Amino acid sequence: GAVVSQHPSWVICKSGTSVKIECRSLDFQATTMFWYRQFPKQSLMLMATSNEGSKATYEQGVEKDKFLINHASLTLSTLTVTSAHPEDSSFYICSASGLAPAGELFFGEGSRLTVL
Amino acid sequence: AQSVSQHNHHVILSEAASLELGCNYSYGGTVNLFWYVQYPGQHLQLLLKYFSGDPLVKGIKGFEAEFIKSKFSFNLRKPSVQWSDTAEYFCAVKGSSNTGKLIFGQGTTLQVKP
Repeated sequence: GAVVSQHPSWVICKSGTSVKIECRSLDFQATTMFWYRQFPKQSLMLMATSNEGSKATYEQGVEKDKFLINHASLTLSTLTVTSAHPEDSSFYICSASGLAPAGELFFGEGSRLTVL
Repeated sequence: AQSVSQHNHHVILSEAASLELGCNYSYGGTVNLFWYVQYPGQHLQLLLKYFSGDPLVKGIKGFEAEFIKSKFSFNLRKPSVQWSDTAEYFCAVKGSSNTGKLIFGQGTTLQVKP
């Protein structure tokens, strides 16, 4: 199957700093990318949907100024957690879909963020 | 609003036992249905999916799921589990007209005892 890669896989930062997480589709063009957040022992919660070249669409309750999403190319989307706080500590997962097979999503390995 | 409910949060089975994980969804339209698995320390992997056609879907590693439209269900089954099936299982749904926005269930932790 197609490969989606996230970087970094884990990051520790101080409270108040910003952290950028990259999501790349390695062998296909991702027209749409999705960012999810997963708390321990819980399910994935969709944060936002991004289409290449346009602004991301955020789910209700997700602060767009705190979680900045950029989808500058068909192979790269970035999530920046601005002014991170300990409650932002979580597992962030991206997924990507291309033109074929239609409707199929491919997930990245996830990035674990710990804010001290 | 779309929602997905998985009935079992934590299931413990012995090897060779049969497995059935429940999944019900709420959505006012045609849906695409998925089961994903997340092994410890690994990323999500697609087990199987239903888009249309035969409601009994066969996936990887001996898993299958049956779409029952009248019950809004998509239960996952495996006749005989192995220790290596220990993982977190997620049911997910999206509207067939959506570009790919998935709504996940709460997940079921499966523990298989050797």
